[in-house]
Amino acid sequence: AQKVTQTQTSISVVEKTTVTMDCVYETRDSSYFLFWYKQTASGEIVFLIRQDSYKKENATVGHYSLNFQKPKSSIGLIITATQIEDSAVYFCAMRDNSAGNKLTFGIGTRVLVRP
Amino acid sequence: NAGVIQTPRHKVTGKGQEATLWCEPISGHSAVFWYRQTIVQGLEFLTYFRNQAPIDDSGMPKERFSAQMPNQSHSTLKIQSTQPQDSAVYLCASSLVGGNTGQLYFGEGSKLTVL
Repeated sequence: AQKVTQTQTSISVVEKTTVTMDCVYETRDSSYFLFWYKQTASGEIVFLIRQDSYKKENATVGHYSLNFQKPKSSIGLIITATQIEDSAVYFCAMRDNSAGNKLTFGIGTRVLVRP
Repeated sequence: NAGVIQTPRHKVTGKGQEATLWCEPISGHSAVFWYRQTIVQGLEFLTYFRNQAPIDDSGMPKERFSAQMPNQSHSTLKIQSTQPQDSAVYLCASSLVGGNTGQLYFGEGSKLTVL
């Protein structure tokens, strides 16, 4: 069965600096997709960025980028030039072929960006 | 474009009462998912429909919980004889099927409180 683990419960950073979050996953499939989602204080969950397992290049969208280390089954999220509004809970998620279309989520990492 | 719409946003029930939660997926999305979110368990998958057909209900508690999708614009999650441990935020999400790698679009959730 697939499993997604986020070990960092919370992270606090100063505005305009970089924050890095860890995520490791377990899957038996050779093809899978990895996602990061953000949940704001209002409860809204939004998609941020995706990494396809067959791609060697790390995905980048705006000030979000991924550190994909396939041999370590690791997909870290990096947020550069953080802003106060980046304060949220960040979820790592995985979809593999055995799961159909459903995503398995990690427990989340709470990020606080302070002035 | 309207996102995923969930009603009610908040529901309070007494122990033993029934609760029905509604979800309207994004138009054109043929996959609908239900997740439950609690502090302890995080985001738990409950069930998934594709083209209105139930595909995977492996996360649904075997008793008291049921989900239906009578048409492409409407899904319901029903909890009979609610218990305090059912208290959670119930999230509905939709996605495209075929050509999409599993990105989910979430509603704002229905917060269920069982007294």
